[in-house]
Amino acid sequence: GAGVSQTPSNKVTEKGKYVELRCDPISGHTALYWYRQSLGQGPEFLIYFQGTGAADDSGLPNDRFFAVRPEGSVSTLKIQRTERGDSAVYLCASSVVGVGEQFFGPGTRLTVL
Amino acid sequence: TQLLEQSPQFLSIQEGENLTVYCNSSSVFSSLQWYRQEPGEGPVLLVTVVTGGEVKKLKRLTFQFGDARKDSSLHITAAQPGDTGLYLCTASYDKVIFGPGTSLSVIP
Repeated sequence: GAGVSQTPSNKVTEKGKYVELRCDPISGHTALYWYRQSLGQGPEFLIYFQGTGAADDSGLPNDRFFAVRPEGSVSTLKIQRTERGDSAVYLCASSVVGVGEQFFGPGTRLTVL
Repeated sequence: TQLLEQSPQFLSIQEGENLTVYCNSSSVFSSLQWYRQEPGEGPVLLVTVVTGGEVKKLKRLTFQFGDARKDSSLHITAAQPGDTGLYLCTASYDKVIFGPGTSLSVIP
């Protein structure tokens, strides 16, 4: 069956630009998570959706980061005025309910020049 | 701030050797999970441990949850090149927290 997919797989942008990263979770999974992973580090929690609503957005580093999940399925992570420090792999995961095994996508590698 | 610490940070061993990696926190976990991540891919769940003192075995991998539920270990017997990857522990407090990982390289 289809797993979690993320697009694009790689994104190169210039400092100050706007980017959108997409996550397609496993069908039927109500919970969706976004993480950011820097080289040599574990994933860093950004935001957690339960259905359409953001149940916990405490990991978003600042107001340049925003995420939506309007229909409770696909989610988009939006980053405004990108900075070089935003360069990382952005991982998405979904799970059947809010607790339990998370299934991860392959990630989007974002490079801000 | 709840933090998960993992040790060692890096480990390079020969095929056939045994190894143990550790995950520690000053906080008590209700449950803890171990994931393995290969380059260019997302983490994949290996096991969830819930009960203090619990031991779970997955083929050549043995996972132990400390009695006080503040630490966990992963022991691999007769490591194989396919075991190479980043081993991550994770726990849920007010949010999901991942440790920094142990990067394991098994040399044929």
